Amino acid sequence: RKEVEQDPGPFNVPEGATVAFNCTYSNSASQSFFWYRQDCRKEPKLLMSVYSSGNEDGRFTAQLNRASQYISLLIRDSKLSDSATYLCVALLSGGSYIPTFGRGTSLIVHP
Amino acid sequence: DAGVTQSPTHLIKTRGQHVTLRCSPISGHKSVSWYQQVLGQGPQFIFQYYEKEERGRGNFPDRFSARQFPNYSSELNVNALLLGDSALYLCASIIAGHTTDTQYFGPGTRLTVL
Repeated sequence: RKEVEQDPGPFNVPEGATVAFNCTYSNSASQSFFWYRQDCRKEPKLLMSVYSSGNEDGRFTAQLNRASQYISLLIRDSKLSDSATYLCVALLSGGSYIPTFGRGTSLIVHP
Repeated sequence: DAGVTQSPTHLIKTRGQHVTLRCSPISGHKSVSWYQQVLGQGPQFIFQYYEKEERGRGNFPDRFSARQFPNYSSELNVNALLLGDSALYLCASIIAGHTTDTQYFGPGTRLTVL
């Protein structure tokens, strides 16, 4: 079983739709979580950190569920420019820095 | 302000050769991480360095090594290249290397092994 799992998609949605991605992690010692966005043939860019209390940034909302060991990303009012691959990342607590990325979920927003 | 820079942008090597990839972090950032990303997969963590010391190591063979210089730039070395080493190699700059710190990625070096 992979340490961080994501549905690769693609999720194909019309403009204006609401779409949600989940990401599960297997190591309960994971402490920090992030969502990154990666456009085709580009580097990943931070979208948002994920906190236990949940956090929101405009149309984007991230949630962490420690009991079920998953994080989620909700995108409201999808734009064409949201089309990208969304990567979730989990980092273990402690002295070593070992981030684990999921394989990413592809989102395609069409007119 | 300059972002993370990596060189070269593209590289073609043959099996058995070695390669050195370079990364300069954002000014003021003291930590660098290296990742390998093959097509269709997420980045796989290789190393993290902070203040010239290795702080983390992923599950990669000893053919992969890295170091960080006093100016915080870093090199990733790969020996005895295999076809499977063909990938995008990403460097990430982190201000201090804490698990809550944001990583800023460079544009990557695309390595092709023939």
